[in-house]
Amino acid sequence: EPEVTQTPSHQVTQMGQEVILRCVPISNHLYFYWYRQILGQKVEFLVSFYNNEISEKSEIFDDQFSVERPDGSNFTLKIRSTKLEDSAMYFCASNSGGSRQYFGPGTRLTVT
Amino acid sequence: GESVGLHLPTLSVQEGDNSIINCAYSNSASDYFIWYKQESGKGPQFIIDIRSNMDKRQGQRVTVLLNKTVKHLSLQIAATQPGDSAVYFCAENMVAAGNKLTFGGGTRVLVKP
Repeated sequence: EPEVTQTPSHQVTQMGQEVILRCVPISNHLYFYWYRQILGQKVEFLVSFYNNEISEKSEIFDDQFSVERPDGSNFTLKIRSTKLEDSAMYFCASNSGGSRQYFGPGTRLTVT
Repeated sequence: GESVGLHLPTLSVQEGDNSIINCAYSNSASDYFIWYKQESGKGPQFIIDIRSNMDKRQGQRVTVLLNKTVKHLSLQIAATQPGDSAVYFCAENMVAAGNKLTFGGGTRVLVKP
């Protein structure tokens, strides 16, 4: 069964540095999403992306965040200047529409 | 992807028994209500969904019940197995809001052999 993949599995960065989290959604999917999960808390929506533009974003997704689909297969989340509170698991998801979203295994981001 | 925390409700169930996990939701305008399962170190995995105009839906060993009057959602797992041990999240889906999922706080299910 096709899967969403994410790299790296764990990223450690210093406060103030830029990070790019990478995702390869399932190939025929058209809708792409990023979520995050701070340790011990619930999964939180960040952004949805369709037709090369952002469809919806949450309050968390401020000017420090951006998303891009640089080619036909990758979907990236960039955090321009990381803060300690950005430490979390970041999940990419994709689907062809509808309620079922397919999640990747996540990237654990640790900001020191 | 592990969701651990002192405040995560835990349901302990004997293998073979039925499990019921409950969730209160907030947004009556949601289009779908969904249950996701999250195993340690993994991303959420879809279990079953229910459209907002339905009150019951059955899948393989799982049943979801929706009570819109009291904004309550439940997941019943029949004949719980060790592989069902995980954290379970309910989520609301709004198509008009970029198809985003809004997750609840999660319940940890521990299956005792």
